[in-house]
Amino acid sequence: QQQVKQSPQSLIVQKGGISIINCAYENTAFDYFPWYQQFPGKGPALLIAIRPDVSEKKEGRFTISFNKSAKQFSLHIMDSQPGDSATYFCAASRKTGANNLFFGTGTRLTVIP
Amino acid sequence: GAVVSQHPSRVICKSGTSVKIECRSLDFQATTMFWYRQFPKQSLMLMATSNEGSKATYEQGVEKDKFLINHASLTLSTLTVTSAHPEDSSFYICSARGTREGSYEQYFGPGTRLTVT
Repeated sequence: QQQVKQSPQSLIVQKGGISIINCAYENTAFDYFPWYQQFPGKGPALLIAIRPDVSEKKEGRFTISFNKSAKQFSLHIMDSQPGDSATYFCAASRKTGANNLFFGTGTRLTVIP
Repeated sequence: GAVVSQHPSRVICKSGTSVKIECRSLDFQATTMFWYRQFPKQSLMLMATSNEGSKATYEQGVEKDKFLINHASLTLSTLTVTSAHPEDSSFYICSARGTREGSYEQYFGPGTRLTVT
């Protein structure tokens, strides 16, 4: 059972364009939503994260939009660069219990020069 | 800050042998460490969660006698793949979460590529 659904599976964007990756979840107990960036052969790196008490968080060219009522959140990469080409994973976790991260299936982003 | 290292970065072993992978939090103390497995072009699959000084909690379908996890200190966890077989070949990644109350962030190691011949 996939707790966090992610789309699209792959994405090709022109340099300078906006990359948008979407995620949806079912468990309303989730209260932490991070995004990770992974390059081939490397471990995931925390990119940006949001809590459900805010609808948007921006760090540089990366923005998370969060819609609590729809149980959806998305990552926007502005002015996409070839160096952004990587696989992006959304995730979710909750305060109680083991606080495990539930990962989406990943989006392979390719930014064309 | 929040650096996690893994050793070795890649290892090749023969079928039937055991392999140990170390995961260290270099600049913070980690109450909880997680071990993941990742197949090519797939997401991370949580194998087990370990808390310092206690037994690891394994996810359903993960053989605890095959994947031995030890979390002896707040900065070190080890994963031992016992009697490895070719199907155990994968990318193993650990992560660590700090001791700060209410801390959610997990910081990942660079991964270990295991190839069993």
